[in-house]
Amino acid sequence: SQTIHQWPATLVQPVGSPLSLECTVEGTSNPNLYWYRQAAGRGLQLLFYSVGIGQISSEVPQNLSASRPQDRQFILSSKKLLLSDSGFYLCAWNMGGGTDTQYFGPGTRLTVL
Amino acid sequence: SQQGEEDPQALSIQEGENATMNCSYKTSINNLQWYRQNSGRGLVHLILIRSNEREKHSGRLRVTLDTSKKSSSLLITASRAADTASYFCATGLNSGGYQKVTFGTGTKLQVIP
Repeated sequence: SQTIHQWPATLVQPVGSPLSLECTVEGTSNPNLYWYRQAAGRGLQLLFYSVGIGQISSEVPQNLSASRPQDRQFILSSKKLLLSDSGFYLCAWNMGGGTDTQYFGPGTRLTVL
Repeated sequence: SQQGEEDPQALSIQEGENATMNCSYKTSINNLQWYRQNSGRGLVHLILIRSNEREKHSGRLRVTLDTSKKSSSLLITASRAADTASYFCATGLNSGGYQKVTFGTGTKLQVIP
């Protein structure tokens, strides 16, 4: 069966510090991978998606970047965090070719102080 | 902008009652999905209904889709305290080998024992 992991679960970082959040998927090959951000009490905003290694698409301009160094690894990064980067970050995967359901990781709660 | 808008934003009912949540969207879709999120957790996929379907059931869940009105509803019958969570609709649109999923702002459901 497939599983998706995210870490860390929680993170408190000062403004201006770097960020690296990691997401890995097990039990599948060549998944589509997604990063979402959820502000408090709000819906999800798609940040990045990837259909393959090294292929990253950005949905919104921002202070963040994403990379996919391996087939089942998706990393969200920032060189300098802003207060507005605080939120709940969710990684998700699904299979391409018309399979629609997305499966979400447990999320990382980021607080920038 | 959010594709899906849920209504109501918050709903409080007694255990055993039915809960109905509505979702409206603006553009064409391939499918519409409903997810559940317990506080501070990742999202769990509940049910997916394709654009050529009108109704779908899964256990105590019933989803309807009216593409002419660009709306969907989620009915939870015989609610339980454990159903307390936020519920999100998400529209899916296949685009270039991956599925773009756009989430609404969610309905916060409280089931009172």
